[in-house]
Amino acid sequence: SQQGEEDPQALSIQEGENATMNCSYKTSINNLQWYRQNSGRGLVHLILIRSNEREKHSGRLRVTLDTSKKSSSLLITASRAADTASYFCATVRYGNNRLAFGKGNQVVVIP
Amino acid sequence: EPEVTQTPSHQVTQMGQEVILRCVPISNHLYFYWYRQILGQKVEFLVSFYNNEISEKSEIFDDQFSVERPDGSNFTLKIRSTKLEDSAMYFCASNQDGFNEQFFGPGTRLTVL
Repeated sequence: SQQGEEDPQALSIQEGENATMNCSYKTSINNLQWYRQNSGRGLVHLILIRSNEREKHSGRLRVTLDTSKKSSSLLITASRAADTASYFCATVRYGNNRLAFGKGNQVVVIP
Repeated sequence: EPEVTQTPSHQVTQMGQEVILRCVPISNHLYFYWYRQILGQKVEFLVSFYNNEISEKSEIFDDQFSVERPDGSNFTLKIRSTKLEDSAMYFCASNQDGFNEQFFGPGTRLTVL
C-alpha cells in the first residue's frame, strides 16, 4: 500500500502569504516527516511529528497530524521566495525504518 | 556541520554495464539507506543497512542490486547490469537510530543509454 500521499497540488503564492499542503496515508505509523527538495537537489528534513502528537511548530512551519483521519498538513507562514521547492511527506511505520514518500507538492513563491 | 556526500554527481553508462554509486554517511550514524527518484516521480525506498547487513529491502531491490560497506566510511550501491529504466537520481541517507529524521546526500544522477 502507498504511504504518505499528498494532495497533488502545485501552489503558486505571493511572498508573505501562507502555504498549506496536505498528506494522507493508509496504515499505522510511528511518525510522519516532511522534507523539502529544491530543484534537482537532495532532500532536506524539515520537521517530524510522532503518532502521539497532534501539532508541532518549527520556526515558520506548523505541522498537524490526525491519526484518526490518517492525514497531516504542513503550513508555511509568511512565505519567502527561498521557500520555492517541492515538499514531500514521508511516513515511518512501526517495526521498520524506511521512509515511504508521497508524490510531493510543488510550491512557487513569487517575490 | 556533518553531511552525507555522494560520488559521482552524474554517471552516464551503457545498458548492461555495471555501476557503483558511492556514499559517505555521517560518521556516527548507524543506519544507511538508498532511495531513488525517477524524473518527475516520487522518491522510492530501495534498501536499508544496519550492522553490516541488509535490514530491509523493497521489491525494486532485486538481484541486480547489491550494497556494501567496504570500510568504515563508504557505503556503496552496485547495479550489476544496468537497464534503461534504472535511469534515476539515487540518494543515499543515514541516521543514528533508524526511525527519526534521515540525512540525505545530494544524489547521483544515473543515466543509462
